Amino acid sequence: SQQGEEDPQALSIQEGENATMNCSYKTSINNLQWYRQNSGRGLVHLILIRSNEREKHSGRLRVTLDTSKKSSSLLITASRAADTASYFCATDPNTGNQFYFGTGTSLTVIP
Amino acid sequence: GAVVSQHPSRVICKSGTSVKIECRSLDFQATTMFWYRQFPKKSLMLMATSNEGSKATYEQGVEKDKFLINHASLTLSTLTVTSAHPEDSSFYICSARYSYGYTFGSGTRLTVV
Repeated sequence: SQQGEEDPQALSIQEGENATMNCSYKTSINNLQWYRQNSGRGLVHLILIRSNEREKHSGRLRVTLDTSKKSSSLLITASRAADTASYFCATDPNTGNQFYFGTGTSLTVIP
Repeated sequence: GAVVSQHPSRVICKSGTSVKIECRSLDFQATTMFWYRQFPKKSLMLMATSNEGSKATYEQGVEKDKFLINHASLTLSTLTVTSAHPEDSSFYICSARYSYGYTFGSGTRLTVV
């Protein structure tokens, strides 16, 4: 079963604005990852945050993790049209060795 | 490092035929691989976990006789969609766990006509 849920399901912003996506999950995790997927293409790994970390940065990406609320957020700053894609969170649970994907946020950045 | 090669990237087949999708770990040994399916504009759904040398573990609702998974070596897992129907048209992605996390294949877009 799916473990993560993301909101919003769709987000449309102007180029240059910031985009924030949220992910909630259900069980305890080892880590949480964010992926990007362009339409019809494979997944691209963006960033991994471990369960003992609260915030992580990578370029224009900022990820936060709140294990008490079982939630994470992905912030893309100064968005570009090329950021248009679907973004998924994926959780690596403490039990088992597979992880599950959230429902995804479809981001559209308008030039 | 930790590259998974997935083939084919696109395949069109006729209803009733079978299609095999391959995933190879190129520079590491993947004792466990995962197969996901994605419907248009939807999230990835885990279909099954493939373990080298043993039977795959299927998620609830996934027909194991329809989606045959074979993981005969530490570097190769295959997913065969048997007697394909148009509703099997989808995007299939494999994933493998390695030392530092997970890596994904580039995906296979299957169209059944």
